[in-house]
Amino acid sequence: GNSVTQMEGPVTLSEEAFLTINCTYTATGYPSLFWYVQYPGEGLQLLLKATKADDKGSNKGFEATYRKETTSFHLEKGSVQVSDSAVYFCALSDDRGAQKLVFGQGTRLTINP
Amino acid sequence: DTAVSQTPKYLVTQMGNDKSIKCEQNLGHDTMYWYKQDSKKFLKIMFSYNNKELIINETVPNRFSPKSPDKAHLNLHINSLELGDSAVYFCASSPGPGGRYEQYFGPGTRLTVT
Repeated sequence: GNSVTQMEGPVTLSEEAFLTINCTYTATGYPSLFWYVQYPGEGLQLLLKATKADDKGSNKGFEATYRKETTSFHLEKGSVQVSDSAVYFCALSDDRGAQKLVFGQGTRLTINP
Repeated sequence: DTAVSQTPKYLVTQMGNDKSIKCEQNLGHDTMYWYKQDSKKFLKIMFSYNNKELIINETVPNRFSPKSPDKAHLNLHINSLELGDSAVYFCASSPGPGGRYEQYFGPGTRLTVT
């Protein structure tokens, strides 16, 4: 079945550091890929998405490129802020069957001033 | 205006009780979902409704029964609560049933079973 694997957390960085959170997936068909973010005490929000190979999703300084050859969708940001502290979820949705979202296990990110 | 709202925000109850969680969305979406997030933050879909019709029903104990009285509401009723049901339950909605649509999540209901 479909699955998503994210890098183990927690991740702790200093403000203005470079961020990478790795995400790889296993899927049949041609999935859409997503990054959702969960701030403390809140529900998830869509951060960015990509629907086909080589697409780059971007939002709020975050980027991720859909790499079909490596089945990856790594999240990057050039300079993180304290306000980026949250839990980040990589997810996929296949283009066939029930098309439900399958989430990775989440990566907790803490940014220190 | 809150797009996806859930009530209650916190729910503490004893084993064996029956409880309900309500969800409402004012986005005009056709599709609604229930997710369970465990203590390790792992998020898994439980149910999905499209235009009041059940379209996703994961391997969930039949003590859990969703009900969608109309497109804007999806409630979750849980019978005979068990310790393992303690989790955060999220409601979500999307414009349609396809996975390519963005899902909008409610703030969650933290259920604690003692």
